Amino acid sequence: ETGVTQTPRHLVMGMTNKKSLKCEQHLGHNAMYWYKQSAKKPLELMFVYSLEERVENNSVPSRFSPECPNSSHLFLHLHTLQPEDSALYLCASSQELAGGLYEQYFGPGTRLTVT
Amino acid sequence: GQSLEQPSEVTAVEGAIVQINCTYQTSGFYGLSWYQQHDGGAPTFLSYNALDGLEETGRFSSFLSRSDSYGYLLLQELQMKDSASYFCAVSSFQKLVFGTGTRLLVSP
Repeated sequence: ETGVTQTPRHLVMGMTNKKSLKCEQHLGHNAMYWYKQSAKKPLELMFVYSLEERVENNSVPSRFSPECPNSSHLFLHLHTLQPEDSALYLCASSQELAGGLYEQYFGPGTRLTVT
Repeated sequence: GQSLEQPSEVTAVEGAIVQINCTYQTSGFYGLSWYQQHDGGAPTFLSYNALDGLEETGRFSSFLSRSDSYGYLLLQELQMKDSASYFCAVSSFQKLVFGTGTRLLVSP
């Protein structure tokens, strides 16, 4: 595997279900991110993990719970979601540098539909 | 807060040149990035400007004016495969803040 991988690619879940999205990066990066992409909206940053510590939580509802067990893996645990949470969830990784964030590598995303 | 503005859609024909503008308001600015995203695909990195001026990479060029909080992406010799969404993003130490994206439609 190369780059950033995400599983599953598609997920349909009911509002009472619990599911998890998985992201793995094979680039040796030290930072990982979760984004939400909805139609007609900019990419919304949800969570940032730097060196396995969460450094940003962008006012995301508690029904989204991230987990970063090591620098290569990132999870997004989902429970009691709402239909408006249906979106493309993108994972990204980067190598943090003193001069600012230069480039992020994105996974293919998980298309989530909440019914 | 941080905000970025770019046109929602641009159309052009094959072989033409198109410029996608981006204006931003932000704190903690390190640079301006551009990403391309095809329908159903992931965003991919195109360019990064930390200093004022023009950066050229093949058919694509990117420009930044820090004093004007403005940048643009210039695409030359347009091809059908360039039809995609293009996002500008402000780079800070630990994150990117993305614009709403510009959908580029290239016609024959």
